[in-house]
Amino acid sequence: DVKVTQSSRYLVKRTGEKVFLECVQDMDHENMFWYRQDPGLGLRLIYFSYDVKMKEKGDIPEGYSVSREKKERFSLILESASTNQTSMYLCASSTQGGNIQYFGAGTRLSVL
Amino acid sequence: ILNVEQSPQSLHVQEGDSTNFTCSFPSSNFYALHWYRWETAKSPEALFVMTLNGDEKKKGRISATLNTKEGYSYLYIKGSQPEDSATYLCAFTRDSNYQLIWGAGTKLIIKP
Repeated sequence: DVKVTQSSRYLVKRTGEKVFLECVQDMDHENMFWYRQDPGLGLRLIYFSYDVKMKEKGDIPEGYSVSREKKERFSLILESASTNQTSMYLCASSTQGGNIQYFGAGTRLSVL
Repeated sequence: ILNVEQSPQSLHVQEGDSTNFTCSFPSSNFYALHWYRWETAKSPEALFVMTLNGDEKKKGRISATLNTKEGYSYLYIKGSQPEDSATYLCAFTRDSNYQLIWGAGTKLIIKP
């Protein structure tokens, strides 16, 4: 079974803190994605990566950065957390050109 | 702007009843339509990926149809069971781009 693991299920951070969300996949997938999910909205793509050290902005990259130093790990970084970044964050992975994305269980981040 | 609309937003169904809901998407440059199921506290999981107009897919009591000319897909659940309670997400891709455009989901609650 494909496994995508997000390091935390719940996080509470303060405004201005630097926040790291970690995601690891064990299926040697080339593509990895970070989404956020807010009530009443579809999943919105923040960043994606199609190879190690490669990254592409998604639809809402502002206030975020990412790091992919190893194929299996894709980190989302909030440089200075703000209250409007309170959300559910989902990581996903897929094969190169693959249709199906495999998701982690999500991290619910609260920024106070 | 690409929009994926799902309706209804939420749905309460009596156990044993059948139900269906809709996903609407832009029909131009269509490549694939995806359905995912997202149970509370779990990862979203792919149900179906459909690419051809007129496609019908089935998995147990759940089935889906696709009309790419008019830009809609239906998801049907026959004889709803409590374990069907989840949010059902649809997403589409265009031009073989592996980025998914997501709807906001239909939250299905099965009443015993």
